[in-house]
Amino acid sequence: AQKITQTQPGMFVQEKEAVTLDCTYDTSDPSYGLFWYKQPSSGEMIFLIYQGSYDQQNATEGRYSLNFQKARKSANLVISASQLGDSAMYFCAMRGVNQGGKLIFGQGTELSVKP
Amino acid sequence: GAGVSQSPRYKVTKRGQDVALRCDPISGHVSLYWYRQALGQGPEFLTYFNYEAQQDKSGLPNDRFSAERPEGSISTLTIQRTEQRDSAMYRCASSLTPGQGTDTQYFGPGTRLTVL
Repeated sequence: AQKITQTQPGMFVQEKEAVTLDCTYDTSDPSYGLFWYKQPSSGEMIFLIYQGSYDQQNATEGRYSLNFQKARKSANLVISASQLGDSAMYFCAMRGVNQGGKLIFGQGTELSVKP
Repeated sequence: GAGVSQSPRYKVTKRGQDVALRCDPISGHVSLYWYRQALGQGPEFLTYFNYEAQQDKSGLPNDRFSAERPEGSISTLTIQRTEQRDSAMYRCASSLTPGQGTDTQYFGPGTRLTVL
């Protein structure tokens, strides 16, 4: 079975600090992709970053990086130098090679950035 | 270029009515996906298309739900005889290449459906 677990329903971080949002996954597929999306209060789903299961290096996109630990089945999102505009819901998602087009999402973590 | 667009953005209907939700994917994107998102939850997969062919409809909750993409571009998700439990955000996404694990799905703004 495919499953994504985000254990932090809500988190607070001080502006300009770094924050880590946790994500663990479970899959039996031999290869898979892991994605993070941001959902601000406006309701859009914004793609942030992608990590392939066979990628040798952790993915980075600007202030976003993905701490991928394959043996532990974790794919944590790290946001450096938090900004007020980072306040949003963050979803971790997975797509297994044997699952066709299906993305499986976690429950989300609501991040609040304090000034 | 333009992103994924969906219409209407908001739909209020009475129980028992049929509704049609429209999705216009990013130009040139082969794959199109439908998801449903309840408040406070992550999106849940409904169905997806490569070109005009429906590849997987395992997530459609029951036979009141159907989707089509007749010309391989715009897609319509239809809910017949709506029920209050159908109230949710319905999201469409598209991706460039068919069925690849690495392919990023880009989401539209969603249609907020409320069934009274």
